[in-house]
Amino acid sequence: SYDLTQPPSVSVSPGQTASITCSGDKLGHKFTYWYQQKPGQSPVMVMYQDSKRPSGIPERFFGSNSGNTATLTISGTQAMDEADYYCQAWDGTTAVFGGGTKLTVL
Amino acid sequence: QVQLQESGPGLVKPSQTLSLTCSVSGGSISSGTYYWNWIRQPAGKGLEWIGRIYASGSTNYNPSLKSRVTMSVDTSKNQFSLNLSSVTAADTAVYYCARRHCSGAACYDVFDIWGQGTMVTVSS
Repeated sequence: SYDLTQPPSVSVSPGQTASITCSGDKLGHKFTYWYQQKPGQSPVMVMYQDSKRPSGIPERFFGSNSGNTATLTISGTQAMDEADYYCQAWDGTTAVFGGGTKLTVL
Repeated sequence: QVQLQESGPGLVKPSQTLSLTCSVSGGSISSGTYYWNWIRQPAGKGLEWIGRIYASGSTNYNPSLKSRVTMSVDTSKNQFSLNLSSVTAADTAVYYCARRHCSGAACYDVFDIWGQGTMVTVSS
């Protein structure tokens, strides 16, 4: 089976840049997708096909993917960005999620 | 605005079958090349994809659950369903249904619309 590895937690100061990584074997050869989930809420898509930002997602969200690592970068992080973030890719016809990263803005 | 709503029993006994339905409103389950997904999340843990179904009835399941999962679609009711057999406490989770993202003529293998989730507890 295909595994995606994320750091359990990332901390960032307000206004600074947060980087959340997602690692997998030859992940750069696949598309990576990112979701944001706040407590008690359903996940929200924040990035698709590595670096496409859905409508309604702030421009401070940026995605990249190369080699074995995909990265979700949030510039000028705001308190409202505090949430769990999950990466996702496909292994053939099976969707695989990373374990999630808790982003703390402090 | 398409919305998804999960429904089904909140409590299932061990060894029985968990059955959930996702109702689609604001759009047709048969339109475009959407597929419809089930995803679950145990309390305090990450997301696990269970499988997907197209309006045609074609399915793909997570290999880790494949032997216990059956999905079906009822286009007349604009619903799709999940059956998970022989459940154990490890199947206790919030279950979400979610739709594939399409924009214009292009579709992408990402989930853009999610239901609010329904909590299912497996306990005697």
